[in-house]
Amino acid sequence: QQQVRQSPQSLTVWEGETAILNCSYEDSTFNYFPWYQQFPGEGPALLISIRSVSDKKEDGRFTIFFNKREKKLSLHITDSQPGDSATYFCAASESGGYKVVFGSGTRLLVSP
Amino acid sequence: GGIITQTPKFLIGQEGQKLTLKCQQNFNHDTMYWYRQDSGKGLRLIYYSITENDLQKGDLSEGYDASREKKSSFSLTVTSAQKNEMAVFLCASRLGGQDTQYFGPGTRLLVL
Repeated sequence: QQQVRQSPQSLTVWEGETAILNCSYEDSTFNYFPWYQQFPGEGPALLISIRSVSDKKEDGRFTIFFNKREKKLSLHITDSQPGDSATYFCAASESGGYKVVFGSGTRLLVSP
Repeated sequence: GGIITQTPKFLIGQEGQKLTLKCQQNFNHDTMYWYRQDSGKGLRLIYYSITENDLQKGDLSEGYDASREKKSSFSLTVTSAQKNEMAVFLCASRLGGQDTQYFGPGTRLLVL
């Protein structure tokens, strides 16, 4: 059972454009949503996260928009750079809980 | 800061072989995880350990054993490697009460 879904599976944008990565979840007990960034040959690293009490979280060029009612969130990467080319995982958990459920990832390619 | 070290980096085994993957962290984190990453399927939890000598099964524990004899180390054993199996095994750790997981670079497994 896939509890966290991501779309699209892959995305190509031009340098300077805004990339939008989508995520949805099923379990209404989830209240913590991290996004991880993974470069080839490396492990994932936390990029940005949001808790369900917020509807928006910004960190530089990266913004999470969260819709609790629809159980959807999205990661917006503005002014995309070639160095942002990576796989992005949306994840979900209960804050303080031990298990984290990961989506299948979106592979982003930013063309110069 | 700290680091997670996974050994070996690459592991090639034969069908039916027992194979062991090792993970060490110097964050002094309480909780450690093993995930399997298959192409296009995201990260799936195999085992996790809340503290030294604790073991908890994840969704993908069948075919694997784990061992947490020290706080800093967590080992994973593939009990009988399956032919054509190819995946990346990721180790992660986190401090108790915190939500962020820190990942190692992974061990790449190929079974011939």
